Amino acid sequence: DAGITQSPRHKVTETGTPVTLRCHQTENHRYMYWYRQDPGHGLRLIHYSYGVKDTDKGEVSDGYSVSRSKTEDFLLTLESATSSQTSVYFCAISDRAGLYNEQFFGPGTRLTVL
Amino acid sequence: TQLLEQSPQFLSIQEGENLTVYCNSSSVFSSLQWYRQEPGEGPVLLVTVVTGGEVKKLKRLTFQFGDARKDSSLHITAAQPGDTGLYLCAGVGTGTASKLTFGTGTRLQVTL
Repeated sequence: DAGITQSPRHKVTETGTPVTLRCHQTENHRYMYWYRQDPGHGLRLIHYSYGVKDTDKGEVSDGYSVSRSKTEDFLLTLESATSSQTSVYFCAISDRAGLYNEQFFGPGTRLTVL
Repeated sequence: TQLLEQSPQFLSIQEGENLTVYCNSSSVFSSLQWYRQEPGEGPVLLVTVVTGGEVKKLKRLTFQFGDARKDSSLHITAAQPGDTGLYLCAGVGTGTASKLTFGTGTRLQVTL
């Protein structure tokens, strides 16, 4: 299994508070991704990174920001959490783009915003 | 925005039965992947199909990529309880970022 950890695994927070989720990898993969998974929507890409300090938006990036200061860590921040951001968040890594952009996923973080 | 629709959404069958899951889109993808996800865990990659018309077999699972690279199917022969899970297809985009677009998933339950 690819070495990916996410922290925290579970979090309950209140509307309006900032939240940061961490993804840590030990595989030295170049690409890292943040997804959210909601019933009826499958997995949707929030932001991704193609190198240290190189990030770009996905399809549902509003209300989220990311940072990647070193290869192994990719942080997802909800600046002011809202109830619509209640979801399960997955981090994924990949060592290549193109046809074989095969991604390895972390165990997920379940976030509840009250 | 590229969309991938999976059918059926839910499937409950008995051990030994065969089944097929479909993944359809109006968009062309560079390649297509299938993942399986179990409760409380992240998705795990099963296969990548690259060429239009390609068929790949993994034991009792057969994956096919449509000729036009817009659709795919997953066929399971003689399903077992261990096949239970959420099956997700994911299309790899044609842009330089080669981002994945995931289908909505098919939840399969196989009972004894």
